Amino acid sequence: NAGVTQTPKFQVLKTGQSMTLQCAQDMNHEYMSWYRQDPGMGLRLIHYSVGAGITDQGEVPNGYNVSRSTTEDFPLRLLSAAPSQTSVYFCASMRRGASYNEQFFGPGTRLTVL
Amino acid sequence: AQTVTQSQPEMSVQEAETVTLSCTYDTSENNYYLFWYKQPPSRQMILVIRQEAYKQQNATENRFSVNFQKAAKSFSLKISDSQLGDTAMYFCAFSGAGSYQLTFGKGTKLSVIP
Repeated sequence: NAGVTQTPKFQVLKTGQSMTLQCAQDMNHEYMSWYRQDPGMGLRLIHYSVGAGITDQGEVPNGYNVSRSTTEDFPLRLLSAAPSQTSVYFCASMRRGASYNEQFFGPGTRLTVL
Repeated sequence: AQTVTQSQPEMSVQEAETVTLSCTYDTSENNYYLFWYKQPPSRQMILVIRQEAYKQQNATENRFSVNFQKAAKSFSLKISDSQLGDTAMYFCAFSGAGSYQLTFGKGTKLSVIP
């Protein structure tokens, strides 16, 4: 049981490039989400999904796209990277009806946009 | 919308001493969950302790305990017998009972001094 996995761990992009941050979980959790962490800002919700085929925006969705074709995977796409998207990105998952709404976090991806 | 405020950007404590990290929140919901997460330099998000709003009793987990004051909307974390391994960023977080989303504070950087 690997939990929540994220790839890559580190990435450097040039402004305007596109890329996809991968997130997968093997716990059959219905709910998955993406957060970004900036210095002095805590974690902020980008997008979330309550099940396959269903996604919605969080607090800071601009510049990011998501899709959820399977229960296991929830990729985050940057279509045209900007320096403002330099951040650490966390994926999280949760079972519907979990006690305490406990979420499980992946190890994070550090993204630098030059 | 909910907000979570951590008013102490940085704190330090001597090894073996006790330290309290502050957190206040604002919500109109009556049932919700509160969390403290630890983020060591590895950047992994580690759940330290959690509290259900309708439970009067303060949660404890070994050396970690909380002081939950629902009327004051306060949720402080006390770390007893501080250890060098407690050096980390600590985030307070809120989740409505019917929500899948976490709202985080900006964090407190705790340093344990030998």
